[in-house]
Amino acid sequence: NAGVTQTPKFRVLKTGQSMTLLCAQDMNHEYMYWYRQDPGMGLRLIHYSVGEGTTAKGEVPDGYNVSRLKKQNFLLGLESAAPSQTSVYFCASSFPGLMSSGNTIYFGEGSWLTVV
Amino acid sequence: AQKITQTQPGMFVQEKEAVTLDCTYDTSDQSYGLFWYKQPSSGEMIFLIYQGSYDEQNATEGRYSLNFQKARKSANLVISASQLGDSAMYFCAMREPYSGSARQLTFGSGTQLTVLP
Repeated sequence: NAGVTQTPKFRVLKTGQSMTLLCAQDMNHEYMYWYRQDPGMGLRLIHYSVGEGTTAKGEVPDGYNVSRLKKQNFLLGLESAAPSQTSVYFCASSFPGLMSSGNTIYFGEGSWLTVV
Repeated sequence: AQKITQTQPGMFVQEKEAVTLDCTYDTSDQSYGLFWYKQPSSGEMIFLIYQGSYDEQNATEGRYSLNFQKARKSANLVISASQLGDSAMYFCAMREPYSGSARQLTFGSGTQLTVLP
C-alpha cells in the first residue's frame, strides 16, 4: 500500500545549491502534480503532468523544473535554490476522466525543504 | 477573486460537540467537484469527503458530512461528535474540468480546528 512516495522527506540546502525531489506512485495514475505549501496558506500548484513525457506549468512554476520520464515517477528540480523556496512540497497523483468520489487526488506525505 | 474562500483561520470546539467549517467557492463551470482534506500536525493530506456539483444529496462519510448549497456556492464541512484526534488543519478544495488539462485542485487557505477536552 505504498500509494504516493516522496523522497527525501527532509533536506537543508544552501542558497544556490541544486537538488531533486522524487515522487513515485504505484497506482498507475496518468496525472501527477507538485504543490508547495507555505505557512498559513493552502497548497499552490507548481507543475503538473498529464502523462509520461509531458509536463506543464502551474500557478507558481518559477525556479523549478520537472520531468516525467516514466509514468510512475515525477521529478521536481531546483537548479539554484533560494530562501523563498523554503516550503513543504507535496506530490500528488490521480486518474483522468470524470470527477467522482472515486477519482480523488492522492497525496504523498510531504517533503520539508529549508534553504539557508 | 479567490476561487476557494475559508473565512475561519481558527476554530475551537468542545469534545463530543458538532462543528461546521465554512467554505465558499467561485466557478463558472456547471460541472465541478468539491473536496475536503485534513492535515494533522504530522503533515500528510488526508482525503475526507467529496461532493460533485450534480449530486443532489449531501455527501456523508462517517462523522463527516458536507452541507452543499449550490445556489450560494458553499460547501461547509460538518464534523459531528468531535474527537481530540480531529484537531488539525482542514482544507477545502475544488476541481474543475477546464481549470487546466490535469483538472488540478485549487485549495483554500485552511481552517485550524482545535478540539478541547
